Amino acid sequence: AQTVTQSQPEMSVQEAETVTLSCTYDTSESDYYLFWYKQPPSRQMILVIRQEAYKQQNATENRFSVNFQKAAKSFSLKISDSQLGDAAMYFCAYRSALIRAAGNKLTFGGGTRVLVKP
Amino acid sequence: GAVVSQHPSWVICKSGTSVKIECRSLDFQATTMFWYRQFPKQSLMLMATSNEGSKATYEQGVEKDKFLINHASLTLSTLTVTSAHPEDSSFYICSAVPTRNEQFFGPGTRLTVL
Repeated sequence: AQTVTQSQPEMSVQEAETVTLSCTYDTSESDYYLFWYKQPPSRQMILVIRQEAYKQQNATENRFSVNFQKAAKSFSLKISDSQLGDAAMYFCAYRSALIRAAGNKLTFGGGTRVLVKP
Repeated sequence: GAVVSQHPSWVICKSGTSVKIECRSLDFQATTMFWYRQFPKQSLMLMATSNEGSKATYEQGVEKDKFLINHASLTLSTLTVTSAHPEDSSFYICSAVPTRNEQFFGPGTRLTVL
């Protein structure tokens, strides 16, 4: 079974600065997807960024970028120019590419709370 | 696009009663929906996978007689918490899958059992 680990329960960042969230995962599969989700105080889950394992290029979405290290099974999220609205819980998630084996099931990490200081 | 709704957003019930939570995909069809449970300050825990027209697949440790799931149409899945007790109080989140690559989440339902 796959596992996802987020080792940082909480991270604090000054507004306009950069913060990096760590995520490691364990899998024996070669093809899979990785995601970062944001859960603000409203508790609505919002997709931040997605990475396909077969793509070597790191995904970016505006101020959000990832550092995907497949061999190390690491998938960190960098938030640049942090804004007050970035304050939330962030969850790293894994999904197998083998639909028949696991459907579209997501395996979530434990989450990292990001605090943004004005 | 890809909006998922949940109803109710918040429910309080007495111990021993049953509560039904609805999950709807508003602008797409979803053959698969998922139900999660989230305790305060914790991650999402997958409870079950709901497939339209077939029985739900429950994760290990989840009581299927306690948490009844019905996926009656391509846009609606329901979770019924039967004979609810205070330990069932939690935040329940559903998600729906319009394509093979991404889940879209509902806003969640807060259940409080007195």
